[in-house]
Amino acid sequence: NAGVTQTPKFRILKIGQSMTLQCTQDMNHNYMYWYRQDPGMGLKLIYYSVGAGITDKGEVPNGYNVSRSTTEDFPLRLELAAPSQTSVYFCASSYSGRAYYGYTFGSGTRLTVV
Amino acid sequence: EDQVTQSPEALRLQEGESSSLNCSYTVSGLRGLFWYRQDPGKGPEFLFTLYSAGEEKEKERLKATLTKKESFLHITAPKPEDSATYLCAVQVMNRDDKIIFGKGTRLHILP
Repeated sequence: NAGVTQTPKFRILKIGQSMTLQCTQDMNHNYMYWYRQDPGMGLKLIYYSVGAGITDKGEVPNGYNVSRSTTEDFPLRLELAAPSQTSVYFCASSYSGRAYYGYTFGSGTRLTVV
Repeated sequence: EDQVTQSPEALRLQEGESSSLNCSYTVSGLRGLFWYRQDPGKGPEFLFTLYSAGEEKEKERLKATLTKKESFLHITAPKPEDSATYLCAVQVMNRDDKIIFGKGTRLHILP
């Protein structure tokens, strides 16, 4: 049982480039989330989805886009990368929005924009 | 404004030296409080959910407690493998049920 799988694990982008961070879960969870984690800061919600075809903005959505065409996949798109997007990105999923059993997180993607 | 504050930022303990981590919160309405463990280079791993004041949860050397304003994560006789960053998060009771994470406490257990 893989849980939440994120690819790639590491990436270096040049300013202005674009990329997609992949996230797949095999637990049939309806809810999926993208967070970023900066040193010394709490996790910040970028976007979330309550089911296939439904997405919504979180706390820090600017510069990002998402789609949710299937229950399993929730890719995060970075357009025109900027140094401020240097961070560690985590994808998470949960069965319910009430998160009674917590979120299951992926192992993260460390992104550097130079 | 809804807030979650964890203290201390970092804590170094000798193996076997018990201590507590604090998570204080100010929210309009608490739906639940969560504790996670995060190892370097990995995603957070869920530990506990607490829902109401007075509630306690235990797992091995860890015990989480909840009051109306804060939660404690007690670590009894810790071992080096307990070294990690411990994150606290609260789910706010409103239409969005948003979750706010604290900045974490880095715990280092010396052998």
